[in-house]
Amino acid sequence: EAGVTQSPTHLIKTRGQQVTLRCSPISGHTSVYWYQQALGLGLQFLLWYDEGEERNRGNFPPRFSGRQFPNYSSELNVNALELEDSALYLCASSLYRVRATNEKLFFGSGTQLSVL
Amino acid sequence: AQKVTQAQTEISVVEKEDVTLDCVYETRDTTYYLFWYKQPPSGELVFLIRRNSFDEQNEISGRYSWNFQKSTSSFNFTITASQVVDSAVYFCALINSGYSTLTFGKGTMLLVSP
Repeated sequence: EAGVTQSPTHLIKTRGQQVTLRCSPISGHTSVYWYQQALGLGLQFLLWYDEGEERNRGNFPPRFSGRQFPNYSSELNVNALELEDSALYLCASSLYRVRATNEKLFFGSGTQLSVL
Repeated sequence: AQKVTQAQTEISVVEKEDVTLDCVYETRDTTYYLFWYKQPPSGELVFLIRRNSFDEQNEISGRYSWNFQKSTSSFNFTITASQVVDSAVYFCALINSGYSTLTFGKGTMLLVSP
């Protein structure tokens, strides 16, 4: 069974540009989570989608947005890129909502975004 | 609020040494879950263990063991007889019933040299 897949694996952009990252969850998983892993900051929660709807977002500006498609795959969009957006963006999926369900997240290998 | 603190940023050991990674958490909830994940150089986080707040039994899995102590709000992870393949970043994480997402610590980078 395929795990969580993310594309592209690496991306180089310049300040002010826009980027779209993609994530395919494990088959049957309906929840998709996006995390940003910047150097020295650990994993910061970005967005959570479940059943096609945005359920929660972390403390990030509105230029970070996304969506979840009917097949449960997801996109993360970042507009007006800034240097500090350089990070590894990780996508994770779970079978059910992780909240209080004793579920666990399955992670992809991430997209390494470099903003020059 | 929920918070996870991993005070050790980086640990270096020589192969076969035992090493303990510390994790301290904060939560006001009585029902919560604690996790450890391993992130090898490939980037993908690998699930290691999940523990609920009502189960304070320590757990051992091969060379890995976990010590959960509610009295000190700690969930420490010990690797016995470390190996080079254990080199990775290790994350502790927490979720409680008031939140919908995992909160991660900043991670501890473990470097095991031959």
